[in-house]
Amino acid sequence: EVQVVQSGAEVKNPEESLKISCQGSGYSFTNYWIGWVRQMPGQGLEWMGLFYVANFATIYSPPFQGQVTMSADRSTNTAYLQWSSLKASDTAMYYCAATRNGNFRWDYWGQGTLITVSS
Amino acid sequence: QSALTQPASVSGSPGQSITISCTGTSSDVGAYNYVSWYQQHPGKAPQVIIYDVSNRPSGVSNRFSGSKSGNTASLTISGLQAEDEADYYCDSYAGSLYVFGTGTKVTVL
Repeated sequence: EVQVVQSGAEVKNPEESLKISCQGSGYSFTNYWIGWVRQMPGQGLEWMGLFYVANFATIYSPPFQGQVTMSADRSTNTAYLQWSSLKASDTAMYYCAATRNGNFRWDYWGQGTLITVSS
Repeated sequence: QSALTQPASVSGSPGQSITISCTGTSSDVGAYNYVSWYQQHPGKAPQVIIYDVSNRPSGVSNRFSGSKSGNTASLTISGLQAEDEADYYCDSYAGSLYVFGTGTKVTVL
């Protein structure tokens, strides 16, 4: 059974750095795309970017280019999303989603990681 | 890339059918047959219910159906049930990235 498990909720101060994770199990991570989605409180879903695990190709949505960094560790089937300097406006739920290369639907979703940035 | 346009809310009584529209452009919805629909219950992760415009993943009720005409995709829920009350998002491939719709809250009266 395919499962995607994200790291737990975080409470951070502005300007702090953060790296959250998304670990897949039950499938070979390598031929999958990982997508990161932001959902601000009471708002809709937004694509932040896509990451292809096979060759580490990254595609950032324009609003998020330069604001976050996507990466992965194939040896542990884990993808990461990191910030170097958080802002209060980064407060949101963040989801990772996975799809096999060649598919155009996001079949597998993590449970979400809630990030709260407040001084 | 602008979000696809959906009605903010749609409601219906149990047993009725409702349709949610999703309007994009010739660069996303109109360009590819890669429109998906996601259902999101409060506090839960989204779940795909329709993919490639009109296909249902295994395990999804056949009360959900999708279609597309030009730059507009649609999701129809037939025989509305209480458990269908949720937020629904369309999503379209747009050449490299994807773009979500603005989301529709479905209320079962």
